Amino acid sequence: DVKVTQSSRYLVKRTGEKVFLECVQDMDHENMFWYRQDPGLGLRLIYFSYDVKMKEKGDIPEGYSVSREKKERFSLILESASTNQTSMYLCASSFNSRTRSSYEQYFGPGTRLTVT
Amino acid sequence: EDQVTQSPEALRLQEGESSSLNCSYTVSGLRGLFWYRQDPGKGPEFLFTLYSAGEEKEKERLKATLTKKESFLHITAPKPEDSATYLCAVQDWNKLSFGAGTTVTVRA
Repeated sequence: DVKVTQSSRYLVKRTGEKVFLECVQDMDHENMFWYRQDPGLGLRLIYFSYDVKMKEKGDIPEGYSVSREKKERFSLILESASTNQTSMYLCASSFNSRTRSSYEQYFGPGTRLTVT
Repeated sequence: EDQVTQSPEALRLQEGESSSLNCSYTVSGLRGLFWYRQDPGKGPEFLFTLYSAGEEKEKERLKATLTKKESFLHITAPKPEDSATYLCAVQDWNKLSFGAGTTVTVRA
């Protein structure tokens, strides 16, 4: 079974704090993704990575950065948290080039971030 | 740009009342269509991948079908535990483009 874990289920931070969200997958997947999900807006892609040290902007990258130093780990960084970044953050991974798996994404349980 | 539209937005069913959810898409060359189930406060759970028109996949009370322009998720004789939001997505290079989802509520 694919397992994607996220560092926290719930997080409360103050405006202006630097926030780190970490995601780890155990399926040797090449691709990793960070989304945020808000009521009425669906899943929105923030950043994704298709290889170690590689990153691509998604639809809403402003205010976020990412880091992928190891294949299994993908971090989302909020440099200076703001109240409009209060949201559910979801990490996902996909595609194993050795097994030529499909591109379906497997999601972690999510981190509910509140910025006050 | 790929577009994925799901309908209806919400669906309320009586237990045992079968129904279908629709996912219409516009994409230049479909490489894969994916269905997910999401429970409140949790991450989406992968259900099915469909690749070509005419393909069908089944899992318990769920059956997904695919045509050239849309996919349907049929729920047969639903139970309250089938209550969830169902998302569909199309493959765009190595990313997925998601629809907004259909929230299904099944009453006992």
